Amino acid sequence: DTGVSQNPRHKITKRGQNVTFRCDPISEHNRLYWYRQTLGQGPEFLTYFQNEAQLEKSRLLSDRFSAERPKGSFSTLEIQRTEQGDSAMYLCASSIRGHAGKTETQYFGPGTRLLVL
Amino acid sequence: GQQLNQSPQSMFIQEGEDVSMNCTSSSIFNTWLWYKQDPGEGPVLLIALYKAGELTSNGRLTAQFGITRKDSFLNISASIPSDVGIYFCAGQQLFGNEKLTFGTGTRLTIIP
Repeated sequence: DTGVSQNPRHKITKRGQNVTFRCDPISEHNRLYWYRQTLGQGPEFLTYFQNEAQLEKSRLLSDRFSAERPKGSFSTLEIQRTEQGDSAMYLCASSIRGHAGKTETQYFGPGTRLLVL
Repeated sequence: GQQLNQSPQSMFIQEGEDVSMNCTSSSIFNTWLWYKQDPGEGPVLLIALYKAGELTSNGRLTAQFGITRKDSFLNISASIPSDVGIYFCAGQQLFGNEKLTFGTGTRLTIIP
């Protein structure tokens, strides 16, 4: 296994268009996280899944954003009616949730850089 | 969203010098992590700290989990050119949503 993969690596779109990103986690990792990183800032949490269940969404995730993980494996993040403020790096991370109290380590993918014109 | 306070914001050093950076929070975390990010890539985990007061090393890197659980420190000894990049601290809670709260980053540049 080569780690978390994300596609596409780069996306340029016009304002108002819809975009979809895909994340393939490390196999057997049951937790999957999405983060957004703007220029000069650290990543900020958007949402996460345990298996196929979406357990929390950040206030950063407006109604235009939707994430899915239909079979508990890969995940997609869709942004509808993109705005220039959506331009950022979208990062995916995965981890394995073990027994209660076992600390998990999140491994990040290379990210998808979105530019909205 | 919340971001942890990380300092310094940037560092310009010569190869071979030691580096120190720190991260502070108004909240308590159960775990502190340090990541390095190269341009156009995702963060890569360097060190994870699980107990207050813990001191952990990974090669030339040493990190400490503050006893108040509100801060952490990272030291890099004898810097080399491949150390160039942005270093982020991250705090993590347990027993619930283990989302990471990241610092604002420290950009390390090595002057030839």
